[in-house]
Amino acid sequence: QITLKESGPTLVKPTQTLTLTCTFSGFSLSTSGEGVAWIRQPPGQALEWLALIYWDDDKRYTPSQESRLTISKGASGDQVVLTMTNMDPVDTATYYCAHRLIADSVTENFDFWGQGALVTVSS
Amino acid sequence: EIVLTQSPATLSLSPGERATLSCRASQRVSQYLAWYQQKPGQAPRLLIFDTSKRATGIPARFSGSGSGTDFTLTISSLEPEDFAVYFCQQRSTWPLTFGPGTTVDVK
Repeated sequence: QITLKESGPTLVKPTQTLTLTCTFSGFSLSTSGEGVAWIRQPPGQALEWLALIYWDDDKRYTPSQESRLTISKGASGDQVVLTMTNMDPVDTATYYCAHRLIADSVTENFDFWGQGALVTVSS
Repeated sequence: EIVLTQSPATLSLSPGERATLSCRASQRVSQYLAWYQQKPGQAPRLLIFDTSKRATGIPARFSGSGSGTDFTLTISSLEPEDFAVYFCQQRSTWPLTFGPGTTVDVK
């Protein structure tokens, strides 16, 4: 069974850098086709895809945030890390990590999600 | 960036009724349209991918259809647990984008 869990600070100050860790189990990010994404959701609003890292270390970012984002594999092999620089109150959201669906073909849809981590940006 | 528009914003129905949700894309997305369900305080749950393929464990009352720019999620007979927010997502073109959601609530 695949599980994912986000961890990181619940409160950051404006201009600070946010670092979130996704710890997963039930799959290996070194296996061909695998991928993990970060997706966020401001309170009461829609989902916004931020970044995706693939098994081969290829990375994709949403253009509107690309200059602020870095996604990487953790050293332990069962983690994915997202950093977002220059945080602003508008970045207040629940941040989810999610597993890329592999069906009869690979997709950029997400079949397993973490519980989410609420990050508030405030001084 | 492909913009997804969902209608209606809110759908008020009774258990047992049929729900029809719409997602329209600003450009053609081929068949690469997915639907997620989200309940309060929970992460989204993948229901349908590639227009009409049900994800693992999703009941047959959920079905998807459409092509090009216009897509539909149908819930044939609403169960109490189906009252939730539904989002569509396209994977045809980077960046991946989601729609604003349709809330299905109890009439």
